[in-house]
Amino acid sequence: DSGVTQTPKHLITATGQRVTLRCSPRSGDLSVYWYQQSLDQGLQFLIQYYNGEERAKGNILERFSAQQFPDLHSELNLSSLELGDSALYFCASSPRLTGGHYGYTFGSGTRLTVV
Amino acid sequence: TQLLEQSPQFLSIQEGENLTVYCNSSSVFSSLQWYRQEPGEGPVLLVTVVTGGEVKKLKRLTFQFGDARKDSSLHITAAQPGDTGLYLCAGAAAGAGSYQLTFGKGTKLSVIP
Repeated sequence: DSGVTQTPKHLITATGQRVTLRCSPRSGDLSVYWYQQSLDQGLQFLIQYYNGEERAKGNILERFSAQQFPDLHSELNLSSLELGDSALYFCASSPRLTGGHYGYTFGSGTRLTVV
Repeated sequence: TQLLEQSPQFLSIQEGENLTVYCNSSSVFSSLQWYRQEPGEGPVLLVTVVTGGEVKKLKRLTFQFGDARKDSSLHITAAQPGDTGLYLCAGAAAGAGSYQLTFGKGTKLSVIP
């Protein structure tokens, strides 16, 4: 157990639907990162929150949004889902604003399948 | 955008063999990390290197950061089936304002008993 909890582990939904992925960071970590992993693209950075505030954005689609709550858990909302959104979605946390020196602790991921 | 190229993409070797995987970029990184990911799980941090030329050892694994901090290598001695997995390198860009790690696409290693 890495200390980062992601739910649900698997999600199957239809095109056009909306889903919410949830992440609880490791105790004491203030930064939460969301990544999308697909076979051809690898791990792609989506968005980072630090202590409740958005701090960095990657290639996140406008149909996707996220937030971090006062208790530091984070949610990633995916709407108007398309077949191409099927992927593994990972949440990671780190103690500080920059993950470079401390590394990330990853959750086990949510496997999203859009049918 | 910093890109990290990993090679080879796939590697299948016999137990007991040695191997090296590479991580290269045209960008300078303030630090570089290696992760191992097993099927159905998230990546797990193996090591962080921060100084150009730095070498770190973790049992049978040896990690090196290039002098110019643009590349890194991972060498495994006497590979075992338990080393099987996806090895990912990740870099933190040098300079202010970059908070997230950029990941390579990984090297998928299979060690055959």
